[in-house]
Order: sequence, then C-alpha cells, then structure tokens
Amino acid sequence: AQKVTQAQTEISVVEKEDVTLDCVYETRDTTYYLFWYKQPPSGELVFLIRRNSFDEQNEISGRYSWNFQKSTSSFNFTITASQVVDSAVYFCALSGPNTGNQFYFGTGTSLTVIP
Amino acid sequence: DGGITQSPKYLFRKEGQNVTLSCEQNLNHDAMYWYRQDPGQGLRLIYYSQIVNDFQKGDIAEGYSVSREKKESFPLTVTSAQKNPTAFYLCASSVPGSHNEQFFGPGTRLTVL
Repeated sequence: AQKVTQAQTEISVVEKEDVTLDCVYETRDTTYYLFWYKQPPSGELVFLIRRNSFDEQNEISGRYSWNFQKSTSSFNFTITASQVVDSAVYFCALSGPNTGNQFYFGTGTSLTVIP
Repeated sequence: DGGITQSPKYLFRKEGQNVTLSCEQNLNHDAMYWYRQDPGQGLRLIYYSQIVNDFQKGDIAEGYSVSREKKESFPLTVTSAQKNPTAFYLCASSVPGSHNEQFFGPGTRLTVL
C-alpha cells in the first residue's frame, strides 16, 4: 500500500527562522518518486521538487533544501531564513510505476511565517 | 502562456442539481486528473485520463462523472448522487508516467446549498 504521512498539521515560525517540514512514506515498490508541492492561499498547487528512489543526494535550491533518507522512509523539506511569502500549505506526494500514475498525497502542513 | 484553466473560481448550486466543472489545458499533456480537497485533508483522486476517450476511476469516483473528448479538455460533472459535494476541486495535467510532475489549475470551490 502507498501512504504518505505529514504529521505536522500546522507550524508557525517567526520570520527568518529555519523550519523543517516532515514527510514519511510507505511503499513496497523499489522504484518510486517523491514530490513536494506548495499551495499558497490562492489555491493552486505549485511543484517544488521531484526525487526518485535511486537518488539519495540532498538538494538545495536557494533557501529550500530537501533531505531524502531511504533508511527512515523520509523526505523532509527545510526552509532556511523563512519569509512571509513562504506561508502556505505544503504537500508531500508519492507515486510509482505500480500506482497507475496515481499520486498519493499527504494531508499537508500549513506553515505560517509571522513577520 | 501555457497552463491549466478552471472555471469558475467559485460555484454555488442547489442540492439535487448536477453541476459541471471546466478544466482546459494548453500544455499538450496527454494525462489529466481531477482531485477533491477538503479542509485538513490531502488531495484525493476522483478520476484520471491517460489519453483521449479513455479514463479511469480514482479513489472517490462515486457521484462523479467525466468525459475526455478532446486532449485539452477534461470536464467533471458532480451529480446529485454525490452525498457531500461541497469542496475544493483541482484539475491537473501531466506527461504520462509516474515520474512526471503534475501541473495544477487554480481550482474551483463548489458550495452546494
């Protein structure tokens, strides 16, 4: 069974603090893909990153970084020096060749950055 | 500009009426998807289509219907059989393949009175 858990429902941080959003997944597939999306108040989901199961390199893009650890089935997302514009709901998702191209989304983490 | 459009942004209907949500994309993607989002919940898949004239049920297809007569269009009908239709509906498209990211439209917020 495919499952994504985002245990943090809501997080509030003060501007310029660092924040890590957790994502834990379950899958029996050896090949799979993990994604992070941002949903600002406007509602549209914005793609942030994709990681495949064979690539455990961490990735950094500006203030964003991702830590993929197969040993703990986690794909965590860190925002460094948070800004008010980072306030949004963030979703982690899982897909794989045996899911019929279906994405399995976590329940999301609502991040509020306080100025 | 390439993208996905959904109209209208807000939709109100009386209980018992069918309503059709529009989704159009000009990204030349073969695959299209409909998701439902409820407060505090993740996105749940209603229907998806990998190619024109073909579509499959997702996890929560009951009370919904779709058609895929054109590559760029994937309308969703919320029927009166859907017991709790009030929700935020998101349409997405992608190049087929589980490794490809899905691109989302702005969503339609449906309220059934």
